Amino acid sequence: QSVLTQPPSVSGAPGQRVTISCTGSSSNIGASYDVHWYQQFPGTAPKLLIYGSSNRPSGVPDRFSGSKSGTSASLAITGLQAEDEADYYCQSYDSTLSGSVFGGGTKLTVL
Amino acid sequence: QVQLVQSGAEVKKPGASVKVSCKASGYTFTSYYMHWVRQAPGQGLEWMGIVNPSGGYSSYAQEFQGRVTMTSDTSTSTVYMELSSLRSEDTAVYYCASGVRGLIDYYFDYWGQGTLVTVSS
Repeated sequence: QSVLTQPPSVSGAPGQRVTISCTGSSSNIGASYDVHWYQQFPGTAPKLLIYGSSNRPSGVPDRFSGSKSGTSASLAITGLQAEDEADYYCQSYDSTLSGSVFGGGTKLTVL
Repeated sequence: QVQLVQSGAEVKKPGASVKVSCKASGYTFTSYYMHWVRQAPGQGLEWMGIVNPSGGYSSYAQEFQGRVTMTSDTSTSTVYMELSSLRSEDTAVYYCASGVRGLIDYYFDYWGQGTLVTVSS
């Protein structure tokens, strides 16, 4: 059972917009710690996608955006492309655990 | 460019220990804390702990306390993760990842390629 809760799967057709939610608690997201997002393709290491809840590293398309409110955060992907099919993970810091926590991951399927 | 290169796959018997290395290059080794994250087959990511590459500080997730030791060697820009008393549930890919922002509220900007550790009798 992950500390951060994500839907196991989401799907969308090419060109559509999808969102992935990440729900935490008062000891992590609700404590004003940032949420970060990673993209992972099968057999490869995760790649940083969004940091500081809404910032994109250099090279990440602006189709990807992040937001945070209260004890939850969201990753939005617009103009969905086949190459976006991957697993997505949210991550934050937890003050009770004194360490990092991840969501369980969400598999994005492009129909 | 920043690179984190990990040691190769390992096969261990239950009860044994494993030591995985992660050699950093392309940046000042002591500038960023290093983390270890693991991923069991078909499962999500699990944070294991953090180590100061300069030495003197490490902190581990509660689940691994007493079984894991994270160390560093500044002469070779390498960090190590040793996990003892291995059990089948420890079968996973182990990643090192450089952390940004220090000891709290950090994120991971660069990742190693991963090291598969298989625990089997």
